[in-house]
Amino acid sequence: GDSVTQMEGPVTLSEEAFLTINCTYTATGYPSLFWYVQYPGEGLQLLLKATKADDKGSNKGFEATYRKETTSFHLEKGSVQVSDSAVYFCALSSNQAGTALIFGKGTTLSVSS
Amino acid sequence: SAVISQKPSRDICQRGTSLTIQCQVDSQVTMMFWYRQQPGQSLTLIATANQGSEATYESGFVIDKFPISRPNLTFSTLTVSNMSPEDSSIYLCSVRDRGVGGSNQPQHFGDGTRLSIL
Repeated sequence: GDSVTQMEGPVTLSEEAFLTINCTYTATGYPSLFWYVQYPGEGLQLLLKATKADDKGSNKGFEATYRKETTSFHLEKGSVQVSDSAVYFCALSSNQAGTALIFGKGTTLSVSS
Repeated sequence: SAVISQKPSRDICQRGTSLTIQCQVDSQVTMMFWYRQQPGQSLTLIATANQGSEATYESGFVIDKFPISRPNLTFSTLTVSNMSPEDSSIYLCSVRDRGVGGSNQPQHFGDGTRLSIL
């Protein structure tokens, strides 16, 4: 079945460092891909999305490009801030109507000043 | 996008009791989902709740343990029955936007219910 594999954390960075969180997927057809962020004590917030190959999703300085050839959707940010410390989840939505998102295991990011 | 309110936000319960979690959405949505997030873990889908039909449960989850109601397009409840310490988790309600695109639409989440069982 469909699945999402995310790099294991935690990821620890200094402020203004470059961030990459790897995400690859396995799916039949052409899924939609999402990144969600969970701040401490909160629910999940949609960060960005891409619905077809070569689409680039972006929000709040974060970017991810849907790469069909490598089945990847890596999350990047050029300069992280302490406020970016959170858990990041990669997720896919299959083409099957009525199905829920499938999540990766999550990557904890900790940014220090 | 839909705004989701969950109640209670947290609770501490005794072993063997049951708790009902409410999920209220500010707009009509067709599909609602209930997830469990165990400490330090990812989200696991418990069931899909569509209005007017029985909830569809994922493998490992049964109706007797997690009964769900979906009386209308803006409201759902999840009950955690006969609780044990292993049920200590965050329970999250989620909805998918109605609109063109179907499964391309993102899901939105409530802030979750943090449940601890003693």
